[in-house]
Amino acid sequence: GQQVMQIPQYQHVQEGEDFTTYCNSSTTLSNIQWYKQRPGGHPVFLIQLVKSGEVKKQKRLTFQFGEAKKNSSLHITATQTTDVGTYFCVRGGAGNMLTFGGGTRLMVKP
Amino acid sequence: DAGVIQSPRHEVTEMGQEVTLRCKPISGHNSLFWYRQTMMRGLELLIYFNNNVPIDDSGMPEDRFSAKMPNASFSTLKIQPSEPRDSAVYFCASKRRDSYNEQFFGPGTRLTVL
Repeated sequence: GQQVMQIPQYQHVQEGEDFTTYCNSSTTLSNIQWYKQRPGGHPVFLIQLVKSGEVKKQKRLTFQFGEAKKNSSLHITATQTTDVGTYFCVRGGAGNMLTFGGGTRLMVKP
Repeated sequence: DAGVIQSPRHEVTEMGQEVTLRCKPISGHNSLFWYRQTMMRGLELLIYFNNNVPIDDSGMPEDRFSAKMPNASFSTLKIQPSEPRDSAVYFCASKRRDSYNEQFFGPGTRLTVL
């Protein structure tokens, strides 16, 4: 299936630093979702973006959908140790299909 | 409300043995998904059901894998015979008919095939 590419694969930050992960697709996306998976846990839905140029915020997390609907980003302000985990951008597809990107693993040093 | 329930949580078996993973979706959800997660391949969709009917099984790796959903509250994923390369975490997820694409994942079954 058509993939979404995420960068970086891994990111170490000092607690309090900001963090950004990027998601890119070669084709236009109908929507993009973001999930978080804590170490040893399961993916948990964070948000869905549908509109071109959409920006949504959840406390310290800011999600953006590109104007061309081919890319998205997740920015975390002032990371905390509770932010540790892998963040996946997920392509919504026909019917109920979801295609997960490779994820960005965030590690936060206290 | 109880979330998606999976059993067993951990399974260790020997190559050639049959393995059955079980899933109970959230009550009222009419779509169910089976995923496999490995370090090498990430999170892959294996198969999904709508209203107990398999819709897309293109992700099922080979004939050794089969999945059933006999009713709205139960699904199984079977591997027969199992091989060491099947070792992975298998997740089940479910979704409501009237929601957009948000899926609720179970805790997963960690399978080790020796």
